[in-house]
Amino acid sequence: NAGVTQTPKFRILKIGQSMTLQCTQDMNHNYMYWYRQDPGMGLKLIYYSVGAGITDKGEVPNGYNVSRSTTEDFPLRLELAAPSQTSVYFCASSYTGDYGYTFGSGTRLTVV
Amino acid sequence: GQQVMQIPQYQHVQEGEDFTTYCNSSTTLSNIQWYKQRPGGHPVFLIQLVKSGEVKKQKRLTFQFGEAKKNSSLHITATQTTDVGTYFCAAYTGTASKLTFGTGTRLQVTL
Repeated sequence: NAGVTQTPKFRILKIGQSMTLQCTQDMNHNYMYWYRQDPGMGLKLIYYSVGAGITDKGEVPNGYNVSRSTTEDFPLRLELAAPSQTSVYFCASSYTGDYGYTFGSGTRLTVV
Repeated sequence: GQQVMQIPQYQHVQEGEDFTTYCNSSTTLSNIQWYKQRPGGHPVFLIQLVKSGEVKKQKRLTFQFGEAKKNSSLHITATQTTDVGTYFCAAYTGTASKLTFGTGTRLQVTL
């Protein structure tokens, strides 16, 4: 099993550009999450989903959007990139809400 | 919102020394999880503790959940260079199924 797959691994964006960070999991997990991690810091929750068609905001949702049309996929959209969005983005999934998370390898995003 | 604090932020030990990181919450936790993140890597789930006073071991790692379920600790016996990384505790906030991660403890091990 591949687990949680994130693409791309690295990306440089110019201010104002848009992009979608892809996340897919093959474990049939209902719960999926997007976190961002700034250098030397902890993880902050951006958005999460408890199942297809259901999404909700986390701690730092501003500037981002998500959708969950299938169980497998949970893309994160940045509409107007800003330097403050320079970070490492991790997607994670879990079997249930109170189970350990499986993380993807991350997307390192730089906005210049 | 609920916060989970970890101490210390950073610890540098020599190989063979022991290491402990502590996780504290102002509110009672339903359970607590621990993750390890190697430098440049992604967090990897280590363990979940649920019961008051619970102690679990994984080889040289010992995890403990406090009696009041407001704190937890991770102890590594005889550290090795492979233990290098940041250790995060994480707990559930409210009734929603979302983890709040602690601030993390970065462990550096030298020979």
